[in-house]
Amino acid sequence: QKEVEQDPGPLSVPEGAIVSLNCTYSNSAFQYFMWYRQYSRKGPELLMYTYSSGNKEDGRFTAQVDKSSKYISLFIRDSQPSDSATYLCATMDSNYQLIWGAGTKLIIKP
Amino acid sequence: SQTIHQWPATLVQPVGSPLSLECTVEGTSNPNLYWYRQAAGRGLQLLFYSVGIGQISSEVPQNLSASRPQDRQFILSSKKLLLSDSGFYLCAWSVTLRGPINEQFFGPGTRLTVL
Repeated sequence: QKEVEQDPGPLSVPEGAIVSLNCTYSNSAFQYFMWYRQYSRKGPELLMYTYSSGNKEDGRFTAQVDKSSKYISLFIRDSQPSDSATYLCATMDSNYQLIWGAGTKLIIKP
Repeated sequence: SQTIHQWPATLVQPVGSPLSLECTVEGTSNPNLYWYRQAAGRGLQLLFYSVGIGQISSEVPQNLSASRPQDRQFILSSKKLLLSDSGFYLCAWSVTLRGPINEQFFGPGTRLTVL
């Protein structure tokens, strides 16, 4: 079992829809959870991160962690074609090394 | 501000040929440096990381090697490429204790195709 599982998609939704991207993780000791966004042929960049459980909001983006079910989510409201990218979830082990999900390719159709 | 450079952007090499990919960082000192490989639908695989000049940790046994001859230079090499070495290679940097997370900053990547 991988430490972080993420459906690679692709996930295709119409413009303006609410998008839900999800990951599961196996180690209950993980505390920090990150979402990176990667445009085609580019390197990933940090979108946002959360600590432990709860929600964190940044504009149209909301990151959510449910530690009881080891489930992390990224919601995108009012999705735009410019949101089309691959979204990678990641967590951090005790050595500060990042553990990555496979990434979900998101396509927003105009 | 900090900048990370990688070259070349794309590379097509025959099986058995050597490889050298270079990564340089500007605007920071003593960064942690990373080499990742990304295959389609499989996320980022950490290949090597370095916390200082000449200090290399290997995460995956393979025919690749890494070197850090200068503080802000990281090189990925191979003596003989295999078909399975094809992929998108990403260099990244971070700074220890900059914040609660190990935020990594990525270069633009090199698309390697081995034929």
